[in-house]
Amino acid sequence: SAVISQKPSRDICQRGTSLTIQCQVDSQVTMMFWYRQQPGQSLTLIATANQGSEATYESGFVIDKFPISRPNLTFSTLTVSNMSPEDSSIYLCSDYRGAFFGQGTRLTVV
Amino acid sequence: QKEVEQNSGPLSVPEGAIASLNCTYSDRGSQSFFWYRQYSGKSPELIMFIYSNGDKEDGRFTAQLNKASQYVSLLIRDSQPSDSATYLCAVNAQGGKLIFGQGTELSVKP
Repeated sequence: SAVISQKPSRDICQRGTSLTIQCQVDSQVTMMFWYRQQPGQSLTLIATANQGSEATYESGFVIDKFPISRPNLTFSTLTVSNMSPEDSSIYLCSDYRGAFFGQGTRLTVV
Repeated sequence: QKEVEQNSGPLSVPEGAIASLNCTYSDRGSQSFFWYRQYSGKSPELIMFIYSNGDKEDGRFTAQLNKASQYVSLLIRDSQPSDSATYLCAVNAQGGKLIFGQGTELSVKP
């Protein structure tokens, strides 16, 4: 099984600010995925992060709001920009190879 | 029609009984099917995956797949109170991403 480390595990942020979430995988993977889980809801895919190319965003998610970096095959970041209370969610990264998730980042925007 | 559908529950079963969780999907081209368990405040934990029609057993868990009916289920035998959680069904889609159902809340009563 893959080991996926995600940080921070939680944060409380002021509206209008940005937060960058980091995701580290213990081995090289071609694709990494970023999901959002709003309170009481299931997981919704934000984007697919491929190394060496721009991320692919799902309908309803845009790069200006959720910029993603993928500098190498073991690491990715997701930034939640210009946050509002509606962005309060759990954000999760995943390695599809093993369908495993990081421990998640619980974000609260006040 | 949602791409992946689950009964939201809650599903309540007595301790020691068999819990049956169901999931239907819309994309006939889907090849891989996953079941996750998610405790409150935690990230999803992979229970098992299935690719082929029929049954796949792992301990107390059995996944059943019927591609003709576009149906996948999870059976939990000898249910325990520690099995109380939300169970998420996920189906692979184009590009390797996973599409999640809304989850079924299971409650096992002592």
